[in-house]
Amino acid sequence: NAGVTQTPKFRILKIGQSMTLQCTQDMNHNYMYWYRQDPGMGLKLIYYSVGAGITDKGEVPNGYNVSRSTTEDFPLRLELAAPSQTSVYFCASSTKGTSGRDTPRSYEQYFGPGTRLTVT
Amino acid sequence: AQKVTQAQTEISVVEKEDVTLDCVYETRDTTYYLFWYKQPPSGELVFLIRRNSFDEQNEISGRYSWNFQKSTSSFNFTITASQVVDSAVYFCALSNTGTASKLTFGTGTRLQVTL
Repeated sequence: NAGVTQTPKFRILKIGQSMTLQCTQDMNHNYMYWYRQDPGMGLKLIYYSVGAGITDKGEVPNGYNVSRSTTEDFPLRLELAAPSQTSVYFCASSTKGTSGRDTPRSYEQYFGPGTRLTVT
Repeated sequence: AQKVTQAQTEISVVEKEDVTLDCVYETRDTTYYLFWYKQPPSGELVFLIRRNSFDEQNEISGRYSWNFQKSTSSFNFTITASQVVDSAVYFCALSNTGTASKLTFGTGTRLQVTL
């Protein structure tokens, strides 16, 4: 298993440009998440998805959009990039125990390697 | 609303010292999960431990140990005989068990271990 993969690893954008951060997982996880990590800070949730076709806002969704057309992919779209969006972006996926049973790996979020984005 | 507080911003120790990283959390849920993640200088997030709110047993894994105290809403992490390779930022996080199991992270504690 590759786990959670993210592309690109690094990107520099000019103000006003747009881009899509790609995220793919091969663990058949229903839940996927996007976080951003600003310097010296913890991670903050941008958007999440509980399954294909279902997405919802997290704590800091403004300036971003997501879609989830397949179980594997959860791209994050930045429209009109702003300097405040300079950050490291992490994608994650997780699973829940089935039939009410808690498995050892339930709720653990598997993180991708991150995308470092600079907007200038 | 959920909240995780890691009051120690940065800790410096000399190799072989023991060090404890504090984590205090707030939640209204009766069932929840607590996590510790390590972020080394390379930047990736490394899972260390998951603890169910119903399981208050302390856990030891090699030089790492965790003390979960529900009465004080704390989930502290101790590294025994620290090593230079332990230098990293450590995050405590809290997850609900609702539909999406979203993680709330603390701001992290940067641990610097020197020779």
